[in-house]
Amino acid sequence: SAVISQKPSRDICQRGTSLTIQCQVDSQVTMMFWYRQQPGQSLTLIATANQGSEATYESGFVIDKFPISRPNLTFSTLTVSNMSPEDSSIYLCSVQPRESKNIQYFGAGTRLSVL
Amino acid sequence: QKEVEQDPGPLSVPEGAIVSLNCTYSNSAFQYFMWYRQYSRKGPELLMYTYSSGNKEDGRFTAQVDKSSKYISLFIRDSQPSDSATYLCAMTRNDYKLSFGAGTTVTVRA
Repeated sequence: SAVISQKPSRDICQRGTSLTIQCQVDSQVTMMFWYRQQPGQSLTLIATANQGSEATYESGFVIDKFPISRPNLTFSTLTVSNMSPEDSSIYLCSVQPRESKNIQYFGAGTRLSVL
Repeated sequence: QKEVEQDPGPLSVPEGAIVSLNCTYSNSAFQYFMWYRQYSRKGPELLMYTYSSGNKEDGRFTAQVDKSSKYISLFIRDSQPSDSATYLCAMTRNDYKLSFGAGTTVTVRA
């Protein structure tokens, strides 16, 4: 399985500011994903980070709010912009290994609290 | 109706008991089924991965898939306090989009 490092592990931010979350994987992967996990709810896919092209966003998520970068095959960032308390959640990065397109491995997540 | 429904729990069992976790789903196109374990303040960890109907065993863990009933289960035998975690079911057709259950929190009492 891939080793995924996600930073920061947690943060407390003020309303109206932005936070960039980093995801680093120890091997080259084709697909990287960003999820949100709210208490008591299932994981929700925010977007797929595509290397060399714009991210693909799921319904309800927009690039202006969640800009994503994917500069190479081992790294991606998610920015949560103009934050409000409703953005308080756990944000998770995942990767799909080259040997199986049906499996995803997850990072430890970033716990975000917005005051 | 949610695409994947998972028994909400929480479950509290004594050490050594069998833990039974269940999910139902509505999309008959799902073919690949997974169980993830998530410890507090950690990311989901892939526990079991099965394709189509049938059983798969890995140590104390058994995953069952019944596609005719759109029902999957995870059994944990001889449960240990270290099994205390939230368990998430997930499934996919044959692409990258995983659909998750909301998770069941299990506590194994020593």
